[in-house]
Amino acid sequence: KAGVTQTPRYLIKTRGQQVTLSCSPISGHRSVSWYQQTPGQGLQFLFEYFSETQRNKGNFPGRFSGRQFSNSRSEMNVSTLELGDSALYLCASSLGSSGSTPDTQYFGPGTRLTVL
Amino acid sequence: AQSVTQLDSHVSVSEGTPVLLRCNYSSSYSPSLFWYVQHPNKGLQLLLKYTSAATLVKGINGFEAEFKKSETSFHLTKPSAHMSDAAEYFCVVSDNQAGTALIFGKGTTLSVSS
Repeated sequence: KAGVTQTPRYLIKTRGQQVTLSCSPISGHRSVSWYQQTPGQGLQFLFEYFSETQRNKGNFPGRFSGRQFSNSRSEMNVSTLELGDSALYLCASSLGSSGSTPDTQYFGPGTRLTVL
Repeated sequence: AQSVTQLDSHVSVSEGTPVLLRCNYSSSYSPSLFWYVQHPNKGLQLLLKYTSAATLVKGINGFEAEFKKSETSFHLTKPSAHMSDAAEYFCVVSDNQAGTALIFGKGTTLSVSS
């Protein structure tokens, strides 16, 4: 099976602009989670989508949003970019089943966003 | 609230010697705990996960971790380090039952010298 893919791999934007990142999960996976990785704050959970609905949300401002399509592909949008949004954005997919034990999350390679 | 603390930001070992990466957790309920590894310019890879079955969990590449509730610890070990083990390691706790909202520790960089 193909792994989790993220596009684009690299992005350069300027302050005030907006950006959209894309994530294609592993075939059959219905859950997509997004994470931000920075040197200062480490890896932080942004949000999770399951069956086109946001199921969990981390502690990020409303400038960060996402959506999921019927084929489970997900997009993440950041509006009014700030310098501090420069980071590696990772998405992870999993089956999203509601069993008694958590599913394994499979991570993509990430999108490196630089805000100038 | 769930949290994890990795006690060492950097660990250096020689090839062939044991590896110990330390992690303490805080959880208001029985936690699901993970160790992930991130090699330079590569994605995060799951090493192992604990989900309240056996307290000693075996993972890939010879790594294992022991869940100790009395010490709230989940340390990662490997009997003999290999050069290819050099990477950043993250101790992780799940913030939900589905395991789709993960809380990461700050990471431990493992260096392996020949």
